[in-house]
Amino acid sequence: DSGVTQTPKHLITATGQRVTLRCSPRSGDLSVYWYQQSLDQGLQFLIQYYNGEERAKGNILERFSAQQFPDLHSELNLSSLELGDSALYFCASDQRGDTYNEQFFGPGTRLTVL
Amino acid sequence: DQQVKQNSPSLSVQEGRISILNCDYTNSMFDYFLWYKKYPAEGPTFLISISSIKDKNEDGRFTVFLNKSAKHLSLHIVPSQPGDSAVYFCAASFYSGGGADGLTFGKGTHLIIQP
Repeated sequence: DSGVTQTPKHLITATGQRVTLRCSPRSGDLSVYWYQQSLDQGLQFLIQYYNGEERAKGNILERFSAQQFPDLHSELNLSSLELGDSALYFCASDQRGDTYNEQFFGPGTRLTVL
Repeated sequence: DQQVKQNSPSLSVQEGRISILNCDYTNSMFDYFLWYKKYPAEGPTFLISISSIKDKNEDGRFTVFLNKSAKHLSLHIVPSQPGDSAVYFCAASFYSGGGADGLTFGKGTHLIIQP
């Protein structure tokens, strides 16, 4: 158990809909990262937050957004969903937020868009 | 454009032998490399890392070698055990000054340890 929790575990929805994925980092970790793993791709970095502020952006679509709240949990919002958004979404956390240390990953949320 | 490549989607090794997983990268800015292991239905778990100022890092049965001139790293597992059967991801990072850019992952190698 990494100490990172993600909810829900599975999500099935329809095209055009909007969903919210939630992540609670390990106790003491200030930084949260979101990654997407689709069938034909490895893990793709989406976005990073550090202590409530956006710190870095990767391959995140404009239809996607995220935020980190004062209690440090984070939410990833996916809107106008398309079939191609079906993937595993992982959240990871670390203390320093500089990637020169290991990140601890949650178990992931499997999103299926029908 | 894939900056971190793991060219072997799968690898089968006999129990007790050495497993060698390979990874190539193209971005010369990368200066920190990590290996993660992933079991089905779980998130990736950190295994071992290496900074670009080193060429080798060892932790128990796991050793990572870095060849900067070839932009190549490898993970050696000796001896291989059944519990090592998993997908192994190579990852790389650099600090751009404005903030971390997340990890760049390869697509993974599925290691199967045969009894």
